[in-house]
Amino acid sequence: GAVVSQHPSRVICKSGTSVKIECRSLDFQATTMFWYRQFPKQSLMLMATSNEGSKATYEQGVEKDKFLINHASLTLSTLTVTSAHPEDSSFYICSARDSGGYFGANVLTFGAGSRLTVL
Amino acid sequence: AQSVTQLGSHVSVSEGALVLLRCNYSSSVPPYLFWYVQYPNQGLQLLLKYTSAATLVKGINGFEAEFKKSETSFHLTKPSAHMSDAAEYFCAVTVTGNQFYFGTGTSLTVIP
Repeated sequence: GAVVSQHPSRVICKSGTSVKIECRSLDFQATTMFWYRQFPKQSLMLMATSNEGSKATYEQGVEKDKFLINHASLTLSTLTVTSAHPEDSSFYICSARDSGGYFGANVLTFGAGSRLTVL
Repeated sequence: AQSVTQLGSHVSVSEGALVLLRCNYSSSVPPYLFWYVQYPNQGLQLLLKYTSAATLVKGINGFEAEFKKSETSFHLTKPSAHMSDAAEYFCAVTVTGNQFYFGTGTSLTVIP
């Protein structure tokens, strides 16, 4: 089935540094990927929609300059948390939709998530 | 816009008992509906999906869900709970595939 790989699974960084998280669709092409943030015991909060070859669409309240999203190819989207602070510590999850429709055009496949801890 | 409501943020069942997790949707056009499961510190895994074919959908791990238009529901069931079913379950809806709306999640506890 459709597989999305997300790396790193865990990252610890110092306050003020930047962290990059990668999301790759391994066996399908994804013109659209989604980035979510999840707080403990809560649902997914959509941060932005990543569009291949164009700018990401951010949800209201999400800082574009802090959460940089790049979707340079049909199989890779990256989320960079810039100048990270302790309040950015969270579980970040990406998902992708199979553009070709082989696995179902309206089905989201999720990565395993990335646990970010900012000291 | 579409939305889903999951009734009951926490559900506890005994091992071997019926699992019933509730999801009601709101959509002005025919929706696609999904159930996802999330284990601790992991991403979401697709359990099953409704895409306007059969109203009774069978998924992985013995789960199934029935789409009832008259009740705007898509409840998830499993005849006999297993300890490994303990997890967080999310219902989701989309119409175009460009936006997905998730419920607030239901935490399932299985009591031995």
